[in-house]
Amino acid sequence: AQTVTQSQPEMSVQEAETVTLSCTYDTSENNYYLFWYKQPPSRQMILVIRQEAYKQQNATENRFSVNFQKAAKSFSLKISDSQLGDTAMYFCAFMTTQGGSEKLVFGKGTKLTVNP
Amino acid sequence: DAGVIQSPRHEVTEMGQEVTLRCKPISGHNSLFWYRQTMMRGLELLIYFNNNVPIDDSGMPEDRFSAKMPNASFSTLKIQPSEPRDSAVYFCASKPVGYNEQFFGPGTRLTVL
Repeated sequence: AQTVTQSQPEMSVQEAETVTLSCTYDTSENNYYLFWYKQPPSRQMILVIRQEAYKQQNATENRFSVNFQKAAKSFSLKISDSQLGDTAMYFCAFMTTQGGSEKLVFGKGTKLTVNP
Repeated sequence: DAGVIQSPRHEVTEMGQEVTLRCKPISGHNSLFWYRQTMMRGLELLIYFNNNVPIDDSGMPEDRFSAKMPNASFSTLKIQPSEPRDSAVYFCASKPVGYNEQFFGPGTRLTVL
């Protein structure tokens, strides 16, 4: 079974600085997808960024980028120029389409606080 | 684009009562997922439908939980009888075929007293 581990329950960063959230996963599959979701206090789940395992190039979305290390099964999220609105829970998630199920397997989350 | 719609947003009920949570996926999406979020277990999949057919229900905790998708635009998750340990936020998500992003609804916060 696939597992996703986020080793940092809580983190904080000063506004305008850079922060990196860690995520590791365990799978025996070769083709899969990885995601970072943001959950603000409103509890809405918002997709931040996604990465296809077959792509070597790290995904980037504006201030958000990932460091995808397939061999190490690591998928960290870097937030540059942190803003107060980035304060939220961040969940790393794994998805495979093998075996017919497209479910997301989530980590336990990292609570990020951006301080003014 | 209305997004995934869930109702009710909040539900407070007493132990032993039947609870029904509702979800309307985004039009044209053929896959629908029910997730549960608790402090102890985090976010976990309960059941997943593809073209209205249940594909993976391995996450349904016990027989008290049941889910249906009678048509492409509506799904229900029922708990009967409810117990305090069922208190959680229940999310519905949908996605179109061939697309890997799941779009989440706002969730239903269930409290069982």
